[in-house]
Amino acid sequence: AQSVTQPDIHITVSEGASLELRCNYSYGATPYLFWYVQSPGQGLQLLLKYFSGDTLVQGIKGFEAEFKRSQSSFNLRKPSVHWSDAAEYFCAVGAGTGGFKTIFGAGTRLFVKA
Amino acid sequence: DVKVTQSSRYLVKRTGEKVFLECVQDMDHENMFWYRQDPGLGLRLIYFSYDVKMKEKGDIPEGYSVSREKKERFSLILESASTNQTSMYLCASSFYSPNTPEQYFGPGTRLTVT
Repeated sequence: AQSVTQPDIHITVSEGASLELRCNYSYGATPYLFWYVQSPGQGLQLLLKYFSGDTLVQGIKGFEAEFKRSQSSFNLRKPSVHWSDAAEYFCAVGAGTGGFKTIFGAGTRLFVKA
Repeated sequence: DVKVTQSSRYLVKRTGEKVFLECVQDMDHENMFWYRQDPGLGLRLIYFSYDVKMKEKGDIPEGYSVSREKKERFSLILESASTNQTSMYLCASSFYSPNTPEQYFGPGTRLTVT
C-alpha cells in the first residue's frame, strides 16, 4: 500500500541556519511527489512538486527538494531559514489516475528560534 | 489564482445536530475533496468527487455524507454530529489530469462538537 513517512514530528532551527525535512514514501510506480506548507490557522499551500525529469526541483519561498529513487526519499531543503518559515510541512504522494488521490504524511512542525 | 473558499472558519455545534460544511472553488476543477486533519495523523480523506453528482468514499467516510450538485460546490454533511467529529476540516480541489494532480486547499473549518 502507498504510504508517506515523515520521521520528524517537529524540528527547531535557528534563523539563518539551513533546513532539511525528511520524507520517505512507499509506492509501486514512479510517484508524483509534493511538499505542502500550512501556516497556523490556514489551509495547505503547494511548495513544490516532482513528476519526472530533473530530480532536484525548485519551489516557492526558496525551498528545493531532491527525489532519490534508490532511497525512496523526497527531502525538502532550504539554505537559510527565516522566522516566517515556521509552519507545518507535509510531504505527499499522488496516487491513482486522474489525480484522484493524494496520500499525506503526518507532517513536521518547524520552529524557528531567533 | 485558484481560490477555494469554505463557508465557516469556526463552527460550534451540539451533539446530534446536523452539520453542513460548504466548499466552493472558482477554477473549474473536476475533482473536489474533503479531509479531516487531526494532530499527529496528518490529513485523512473523507470523500472525494470527480464530477457533478459523483462521489467516492475515502479512508474515513463513516458518519459523513457529501453532495455535489454543481461543479464548483462540494458539501460535507454530518448527519448527527458526535464529539469525536471535533476536528479541522479541509476542502481541496484539483484538475482531473495526471499532469496536474496537485490540490488546492481552502482555509479550513475548525468544528467543535459539544
